[in-house]
Amino acid sequence: GAVVSQHPSWVICKSGTSVKIECRSLDFQATTMFWYRQFPKQSLMLMATSNEGSKATYEQGVEKDKFLINHASLTLSTLTVTSAHPEDSSFYICSARPQGPYNEQFFGPGTRLTVL
Amino acid sequence: QQQVKQSPQSLIVQKGGISIINCAYENTAFDYFPWYQQFPGKGPALLIAIRPDVSEKKEGRFTISFNKSAKQFSLHIMDSQPGDSATYFCAASMIWAGGTSYGKLTFGQGTILTVHP
Repeated sequence: GAVVSQHPSWVICKSGTSVKIECRSLDFQATTMFWYRQFPKQSLMLMATSNEGSKATYEQGVEKDKFLINHASLTLSTLTVTSAHPEDSSFYICSARPQGPYNEQFFGPGTRLTVL
Repeated sequence: QQQVKQSPQSLIVQKGGISIINCAYENTAFDYFPWYQQFPGKGPALLIAIRPDVSEKKEGRFTISFNKSAKQFSLHIMDSQPGDSATYFCAASMIWAGGTSYGKLTFGQGTILTVHP
């Protein structure tokens, strides 16, 4: 149980285009989902916290107009990188926290974004 | 105060040996301490986690030791195997953070573990 999927697993796009990444909890409902960014050989950096039915909470320094997050249901959150540039190339990972008194977060497999 | 400091950055052990990774935190409000294992190109996977009301938790070959007074916790991997070679991250969060925090995880810097056959 506690499986989180991401789609796509990798994407290559041209500079200036927008890319949408989906995060789904497959066998549980997630009130809260989190979006992280990870550069090679570095730790995970939290970008934003996404709660179903409400606006995402962004970490300091993360541009909310550039990284649009939507959490439309208890099993789906999306991250859209708008007007992507080469510096946005990174590994994007989501995690989901099940409903209830739990603090475990289950991570997706990640999405490798390369902006040319 | 939100930082979690992890050491060492890299660790090499022989097959069958014990791998030990340490983490230290400052924020005494943290009350949930998980360890994650990450293979290259994959998302992190939850290995084991502990709450501060216990000093040790063991699951198979993995043990967390927790020292509340020192604000430190460590991961011990017994009988290390080549398949354990991965990056390990410690993390910490507040379970009932309230507001908009909802249990955000603060990650350590990561330890690259290499187990030689």
